[in-house]
Amino acid sequence: DADVTQTPRNRITKTGKRIMLECSQTKGHDRMYWYRQDPGLGLRLIYYSFDVKDINKGEISDGYSVSRQAQAKFSLSLESAIPNQTALYFCATSETSGRYNEQFFGPGTRLTVL
Amino acid sequence: QKEVEQDPGPLSVPEGAIVSLNCTYSNSAFQYFMWYRQYSRKGPELLMYTYSSGNKEDGRFTAQVDKSSKYISLFIRDSQPSDSATYLCAMSANFNKFYFGSGTKLNVKP
Repeated sequence: DADVTQTPRNRITKTGKRIMLECSQTKGHDRMYWYRQDPGLGLRLIYYSFDVKDINKGEISDGYSVSRQAQAKFSLSLESAIPNQTALYFCATSETSGRYNEQFFGPGTRLTVL
Repeated sequence: QKEVEQDPGPLSVPEGAIVSLNCTYSNSAFQYFMWYRQYSRKGPELLMYTYSSGNKEDGRFTAQVDKSSKYISLFIRDSQPSDSATYLCAMSANFNKFYFGSGTKLNVKP
């Protein structure tokens, strides 16, 4: 089984709908991240969490919110989806004491907002 | 100005060629530099890590960092079709937040 899983893998929704993307990990890592990937813009950090009680905004947090339900679970919500939130979303994990703070990425969620 | 600039390519080379991938950055506080490889429909995976300036070699891959020029490179020797992927540079000042380049798409033709 994959160490970092994301659900759903693909989602098509309409403008104004609330969407939740979920991430689970079995690596036992304390740090979790949400990124979005757009052509030409690369990976941009949305939110990150260093433990269950720690939530931090990244470069592009407007329009998004997160919840760290447990060490292993980190969900990303779009309260009212808009078309320019169409992107590929990645969850990643790392451990504070880990080698190079290497980040381990999930397989991604492709979100389309119509 | 973006923190990290990377030529998106695509870069197409014949099998066996030497490939050079590059990134420039603007934040002089960056001291941790990484290269990730991303295959189609997959998440990125760490390929190389370098701290501060200098070179690091791992098999066919060599990472170089020139902090004075704010320029990093990844060289791939004897490129193989299996190296076809998107390569993303990433860098950080303190291991808390990483800034990624936009990625260079590489195609190695058999």
